[in-house]
Amino acid sequence: ELKVEQNPLFLSMQEGKNYTIYCNYSTTSDRLYWYRQDPGKSLESLFVLLSNGAVKQEGRLMASLDTKARLSTLHITAAVHDLSATYFCAVTMDSNYQLIWGAGTKLIIKP
Amino acid sequence: NAGVTQTPKFQVLKTGQSMTLQCAQDMNHEYMSWYRQDPGMGLRLIHYSVGAGITDQGEVPNGYNVSRSTTEDFPLRLLSAAPSQTSVYFCASRRQGQYEQYFGPGTRLTVT
Repeated sequence: ELKVEQNPLFLSMQEGKNYTIYCNYSTTSDRLYWYRQDPGKSLESLFVLLSNGAVKQEGRLMASLDTKARLSTLHITAAVHDLSATYFCAVTMDSNYQLIWGAGTKLIIKP
Repeated sequence: NAGVTQTPKFQVLKTGQSMTLQCAQDMNHEYMSWYRQDPGMGLRLIHYSVGAGITDQGEVPNGYNVSRSTTEDFPLRLLSAAPSQTSVYFCASRRQGQYEQYFGPGTRLTVT
């Protein structure tokens, strides 16, 4: 059974600081996704990581994937208040690419 | 394109009532899915479809039915609502062979 664990589940940080969110999964998977969700809103796709060693960056966010360790990280550089949101990772469970989700990391960035 | 649309946005039901959550997409995507989101648990897959006429169960299918008579529409039916079905429901779609999954705005359902 494929399980996905994120940590931390809650993170409060100051603007300008760096931090990393971790996503571990239990069995081999082909794809790893990162999504952002603002309160009361839908989910916005951030990154899709397809292979071992994949690294993608968008603005202050950088995601990486280590398939051997079954670990993905989402690194936030010089955080700004606008990045406050809940971040989810999700992993495919079969060839239909149906997603198994982590519980989410609620990120609060204080001005 | 409107993308993925869901109706209604909010709904309150009494225990035992039935209803249908609507989902439509205008991107001609083959794959469509229904998820529920509960606090602190991420999203869980209820049912999914890989094309018109083809549906399958996800992690938490009990109490829900789906059908896919057209490519565009994928309604989710609650047969007899229970308080445990209080949740936010998201519909999503994806084109075959691509990885990007598009989500609708969600339906917030409360069962009393």
